[in-house]
Amino acid sequence: TQLLEQSPQFLSIQEGENLTVYCNSSSVFSSLQWYRQEPGEGPVLLVTVVTGGEVKKLKRLTFQFGDARKDSSLHITAAQPGDTGLYLCAAKGDMRFGAGTRLTVKP
Amino acid sequence: GAGVSQSPSNKVTEKGKDVELRCDPISGHTALYWYRQSLGQGLEFLIYFQGNSAPDKSGLPSDRFSAERTGGSVSTLTIQRTQQEDSAVYLCASSLDPAHGYTFGSGTRLTVV
Repeated sequence: TQLLEQSPQFLSIQEGENLTVYCNSSSVFSSLQWYRQEPGEGPVLLVTVVTGGEVKKLKRLTFQFGDARKDSSLHITAAQPGDTGLYLCAAKGDMRFGAGTRLTVKP
Repeated sequence: GAGVSQSPSNKVTEKGKDVELRCDPISGHTALYWYRQSLGQGLEFLIYFQGNSAPDKSGLPSDRFSAERTGGSVSTLTIQRTQQEDSAVYLCASSLDPAHGYTFGSGTRLTVV
């Protein structure tokens, strides 16, 4: 079982600001997935990263997989209130998720 | 169906009663997972079914919790003699291939009073 550590645990910012959240492990991932969960809903898959050093963009969201495939980051540019939610990471083949980063974007 | 369906969406039960939570996965998804999410917390893995293999029960918190999956499709999570600490949102997810991620239902919010 790979232990996934996410940071920060909580993040509250103003609309328009940029932010980065992290998902780290001491183990090597074959691939890693990011999810966003909005209140009252289940998590929704945002992206899967597979290759070390890979960068994927989803509109204002940029996902990066570390070269050693032990860590990943999610950067949001010009955050909007609609980005508010719980951001979770999960490693392929491991049913366990990180504890998540709870993001609040204030208008 | 088009998505993962869970029922009921909300359940209030008295301490000591048994409850059953239902999950209808996406048709054709061979893998099914149950998670528990306490208020303001992340996801706690409970149990995993994959095809006809024996389920991975390593996340079940006590022997009051059990789950079954009939015909490789619908799953029921049963909590016996409910306690107040069982209050949480119970989420079900299914997957055709874990590499492509999980599809979650909206969950069942269980409140034990």
